[in-house]
Amino acid sequence: EDQVTQSPEALRLQEGESSSLNCSYTVSGLRGLFWYRQDPGKGPEFLFTLYSAGEEKEKERLKATLTKKESFLHITAPKPEDSATYLCAVQAGNNAGNMLTFGGGTRLMVKP
Amino acid sequence: DAGVTQSPTHLIKTRGQQVTLRCSPKSGHDTVSWYQQALGQGPQFIFQYYEEEERQRGNFPDRFSGHQYPNYSSELNVNALLLGDSALYLCASSGPQGYTEAFFGQGTRLTVV
Repeated sequence: EDQVTQSPEALRLQEGESSSLNCSYTVSGLRGLFWYRQDPGKGPEFLFTLYSAGEEKEKERLKATLTKKESFLHITAPKPEDSATYLCAVQAGNNAGNMLTFGGGTRLMVKP
Repeated sequence: DAGVTQSPTHLIKTRGQQVTLRCSPKSGHDTVSWYQQALGQGPQFIFQYYEEEERQRGNFPDRFSGHQYPNYSSELNVNALLLGDSALYLCASSGPQGYTEAFFGQGTRLTVV
């Protein structure tokens, strides 16, 4: 059974204080690993897809990396508007469809 | 591009009732998936529709059923509502054939009283 664990559950940062969020996964043949951002009461917003170990992707202050067992979302010099829940999800290669298995999320709070 | 749209945004139902939620996928997408998200948790996969058929299903009871129309829009039906069905229901679309990134709608907040 595919499993995704995110840590920490919650993270408080001061504006400008860089940090990393962790996503550990167990999956039968990874097809893709996805990062989403979710604001309260809204649907997840797509950020990145990573397909193979060693791959990295960047968007503004966010950088996602992937190894064979985990992914990191690095946040450089965060701003209060980066406050949200960040979700990690995996897609297994043996799926007939493309269902996503999500972790529980990391709730990020950035104080000015 | 309107993106993925869901209706209604909020809904209150009584235990035992039935509910229908609706979803229109992003333009160019042909695959629709439904997820349930309880408060403080990650989304859980309910099922996926492609070519008007259920292609994949998660660990949800038969009270949860769905439909996809020729224009790719979809419905989620839940019968005999339980208090535990209260959650944010998310629709995601992807395409072609489902093997691209999934984009989510704003969700329908269902409260069962």
